[in-house]
Amino acid sequence: GDSVTQMEGPVTLSEEAFLTINCTYTATGYPSLFWYVQYPGEGLQLLLKATKADDKGSNKGFEATYRKETTSFHLEKGSVQVSDSAVYFCALSGVYSGGGADGLTFGKGTHLIIQP
Amino acid sequence: ETGVTQSPTHLIKTRGQQVTLRCSSQSGHNTVSWYQQALGQGPQFIFQYYREEENGRGNFPPRFSGLQFPNYSSELNVNALELDDSALYLCASRPQTQVNEQFFGPGTRLTVL
Repeated sequence: GDSVTQMEGPVTLSEEAFLTINCTYTATGYPSLFWYVQYPGEGLQLLLKATKADDKGSNKGFEATYRKETTSFHLEKGSVQVSDSAVYFCALSGVYSGGGADGLTFGKGTHLIIQP
Repeated sequence: ETGVTQSPTHLIKTRGQQVTLRCSSQSGHNTVSWYQQALGQGPQFIFQYYREEENGRGNFPPRFSGLQFPNYSSELNVNALELDDSALYLCASRPQTQVNEQFFGPGTRLTVL
């Protein structure tokens, strides 16, 4: 079945550092890929998405490129802020079949801590 | 525009009991999904409802069941609660035509003692 693997956390960085959170996936066909962010005590917010190979999703300074050849969707940001501290989840949406739905498949999450 | 809301925020039950969690979809969203997020883990897909019928299910036993109402609100019911059912339960809604745009609620934290 589909699966998502992302780097274990916590990841601790200083403010203004460069961020990379690795994400690789296993899926049949051509899934859509997502990054979600979860702030303490809140639900998930969609950060960015890419629906086909070589697409780049971007939002709030974060970027990720859908790499089919390496089955990866790494999250990057050039200069992180304290307010970026949160848990980040990589996810995929599988190919729907027969009109049914398989839902999103999530990685385990990466806790990001940004220190001033 | 009102987002996805869930109730209650927190709930404590004992093993063997039954629980009902509720979700109000975002306006205009006719498809709702439920996820279970155990502590320190990513969310896992439970099931999805569209037009008041379940049209997709993850790897969860039948004691996890749901309902969707004509106003697109939804319930998650769990019977015969087990300790491992302790988790954050998330509801997500979307328009049926936009498969890549799910909006999540804040979740219900269920503790089973």
